Amino acid sequence: DAGITQSPRHKVTETGTPVTLRCHQTENHRYMYWYRQDPGHGLRLIHYSYGVKDTDKGEVSDGYSVSRSKTEDFLLTLESATSSQTSVYFCAISLGHSEDYGYTFGSGTRLTVV
Amino acid sequence: AQSVAQPEDQVNVAEGNPLTVKCTYSVSGNPYLFWYVQYPNRGLQFLLKYITGDNLVKGSYGFEAEFNKSQTSFHLKKPSALVSDSALYFCAVSAYGNNRLAFGKGNQVVVIP
Repeated sequence: DAGITQSPRHKVTETGTPVTLRCHQTENHRYMYWYRQDPGHGLRLIHYSYGVKDTDKGEVSDGYSVSRSKTEDFLLTLESATSSQTSVYFCAISLGHSEDYGYTFGSGTRLTVV
Repeated sequence: AQSVAQPEDQVNVAEGNPLTVKCTYSVSGNPYLFWYVQYPNRGLQFLLKYITGDNLVKGSYGFEAEFNKSQTSFHLKKPSALVSDSALYFCAVSAYGNNRLAFGKGNQVVVIP
């Protein structure tokens, strides 16, 4: 998707190891979000950011942390990966209030914890 | 808290027939409603949104959605389904001033040739 890149696209990691996923945007959008997608649950918000060094928790934040030191990058860290964190992770960006602009999504990162 | 219910896991429809994907929502205050579509191994793509105004909203690829405040619903419709419409569809809601979208669990649409 134009303007937003997630890396890596796929990753397999072992239980207990730390993992960092990266979301990079070239749109200079203020708002950034991390969601996880699981069958039967749809998309659930993990963390979000309103700007540099301004982040907050979503509904499923336990076991995850985020950082945003630059407008263009939003990092999601699994501090000690567990099998329950096997999922597809999506980053989204928004220019402003969601009701005005909606979200643009990245292509996702498929994470498998073994 | 805001939430969305998409009651059907999968919707099967014959090509050329009307397609309806159901969505009901719960939110404090005025709702802002969205539909997104996801094709295999891709991110979500915006289809349409309701913010205010006409209850019938038109979006991309011939889709439309009808906002019904009394029934708290925002069903997605297409008059004549195509095989290429086969995908996963998500309804989402937010409230004014809340920059966070809450998504439903998604509906798999299968259009049968």
